[in-house]
Amino acid sequence: QKEVEQNSGPLSVPEGAIASLNCTYSDRGSQSFFWYRQYSGKSPELIMFIYSNGDKEDGRFTAQLNKASQYVSLLIRDSQPSDSATYLCAVKGEAGTALIFGKGTTLSVSS
Amino acid sequence: KAGVTQTPRYLIKTRGQQVTLSCSPISGHRSVSWYQQTPGQGLQFLFEYFSETQRNKGNFPGRFSGRQFSNSRSEMNVSTLELGDSALYLCASRSGDFYEQYFGPGTRLTVT
Repeated sequence: QKEVEQNSGPLSVPEGAIASLNCTYSDRGSQSFFWYRQYSGKSPELIMFIYSNGDKEDGRFTAQLNKASQYVSLLIRDSQPSDSATYLCAVKGEAGTALIFGKGTTLSVSS
Repeated sequence: KAGVTQTPRYLIKTRGQQVTLSCSPISGHRSVSWYQQTPGQGLQFLFEYFSETQRNKGNFPGRFSGRQFSNSRSEMNVSTLELGDSALYLCASRSGDFYEQYFGPGTRLTVT
């Protein structure tokens, strides 16, 4: 059973701080990794994707991938109250095209 | 470019009934995937259609079925509804060349 694990949180950070969200996955052959943000009552929104080991930066967001450790993380710099949401990690396994989602980490940014 | 659209947005059905949900992907996207989201199980993959063919199927009973039309629009059908089918049903599309999926607003199904 391919699994994606995330700490459910809540992760609480003050405004302006760095929020660090983590995700581990079980399928060693996984190739593609995604971070989605989901506000309460809304659908998931793709915010980052990463395919290669290392870091990928987009504005205040940095995705980090370590395939050897089967670990992917999302850093949010200068966190804002508007970043308060549930962050879902998704992984595409070695076979097939379906995404396997973690259950998400709830982030709360206080002003 | 318009995003993924889903209809209806909300639906209330009775146990034993059947329901059909519709999804229109982003223009140019040929792949449509369906997911079920519940508080307990999170987001679970139902199936994916690409160019009118089912490519992948998740671990759901045969009551859940789908199809895709030549214009890439997709429908999902659930027969003999059970209380446990109450969930947010999400459709996501991708271009087919890449794996990034973009979600629609979802259909909130309540089974009473």
